Amino acid sequence: DVKVTQSSRYLVKRTGEKVFLECVQDMDHENMFWYRQDPGLGLRLIYFSYDVKMKEKGDIPEGYSVSREKKERFSLILESASTNQTSMYLCASSFRGRWSEQFFGPGTRLTVL
Amino acid sequence: AQTVTQSQPEMSVQEAETVTLSCTYDTSESDYYLFWYKQPPSRQMILVIRQEAYKQQNATENRFSVNFQKAAKSFSLKISDSQLGDAAMYFCAYRILGGSNYKLTFGKGTLLTVNP
Repeated sequence: DVKVTQSSRYLVKRTGEKVFLECVQDMDHENMFWYRQDPGLGLRLIYFSYDVKMKEKGDIPEGYSVSREKKERFSLILESASTNQTSMYLCASSFRGRWSEQFFGPGTRLTVL
Repeated sequence: AQTVTQSQPEMSVQEAETVTLSCTYDTSESDYYLFWYKQPPSRQMILVIRQEAYKQQNATENRFSVNFQKAAKSFSLKISDSQLGDAAMYFCAYRILGGSNYKLTFGKGTLLTVNP
């Protein structure tokens, strides 16, 4: 079974803190993604990476950065957390193939106070 | 820009009955993929079914089937013989074919309740 894990299920941080969300996949997938899920808005892509050290902006990259130093690990960084970044964050991964399915992690519910 | 619209924020169905979830999308592309994902309460999102735009035949996976109308840009999901375990948020998603862009564009979701 493909496994995508995220470092925390729940996280509470204060405004202005630097926040790291970690995602690890064990299927040697080339692609990795970070989404944000909000009620009534669905999933929105923040960043994705198609190879080590490669990244591309998604639809809502402002206030976020990412790091992919190893193929299996993709980190989302909130440089200075703000209350409007309170949300559910989902990581996903997939092979590079045209027909590739994205596999999702369990999500991290981040609350910024 | 591609958009995906799910017009039903919530739906309910009786156990063993059939329910259809609607999805429309807007694109100028001719080749693309469409997906339905399921997110059960407090559980991980999983792929339910997928459809290649160039295939006229509707995809089927056990009790799940789609009605793909390319000209109308419609991609509905039919769940037959609904079970309590089908209760979840369902997301319709779109992806263009080719290039290095593997981005999925999601709809806002439909929350399905299954009544015993």
